[in-house]
Amino acid sequence: NAGVTQTPKFQVLKTGQSMTLQCAQDMNHNSMYWYRQDPGMGLRLIYYSASEGTTDKGEVPNGYNVSRLNKREFSLRLESAAPSQTSVYFCASSVTGRGTEAFFGQGTRLTVV
Amino acid sequence: ILNVEQSPQSLHVQEGDSTNFTCSFPSSNFYALHWYRWETAKSPEALFVMTLNGDEKKKGRISATLNTKEGYSYLYIKGSQPEDSATYLCAFEPGGGADGLTFGKGTHLIIQP
Repeated sequence: NAGVTQTPKFQVLKTGQSMTLQCAQDMNHNSMYWYRQDPGMGLRLIYYSASEGTTDKGEVPNGYNVSRLNKREFSLRLESAAPSQTSVYFCASSVTGRGTEAFFGQGTRLTVV
Repeated sequence: ILNVEQSPQSLHVQEGDSTNFTCSFPSSNFYALHWYRWETAKSPEALFVMTLNGDEKKKGRISATLNTKEGYSYLYIKGSQPEDSATYLCAFEPGGGADGLTFGKGTHLIIQP
């Protein structure tokens, strides 16, 4: 029972490089999310997808794009990485997103130098 | 930006003692209040999702209460054990069409043997 799987677990990028963080869930959940965790801050929502084919901005979307490839997969892309994007990124999913618990992946630690 | 505050920021408790901490959130446009437990090197795991004013939830030695009119929730741990050491996060889920959670910064709980 894999739950929410994120890849990669660790990544170092140079400023200006691009990369895509992958996320997949096997729980048949409709809603998926990307959060970032920075020291001294709560988890902050970057983007979410309430259902397959829809995506919406969260609190901190600048510098990111997302794709809900299908019901299982929700990817986060950094087109031109900046040091301010150094963070730990968490993907999460929930059944409906309305009053249902979120299940989190193991996180991706990204460093931009 | 929604304001979700947790207090205290950190807490040291002797093994066997009981403890509680607070989450305050906006009292308007409320849909649900979530509590998550986050152990070091793991991902957050849901404890409770509460939607109704006056809700009380319990899981083993951990319980939570909800007051939506005044915008606060308490998490209680009875007879603390070393395995309770973790960061406890609360998250506000708003009503309306928006999806995603606004997290507090967490209460870091350390149980001392």
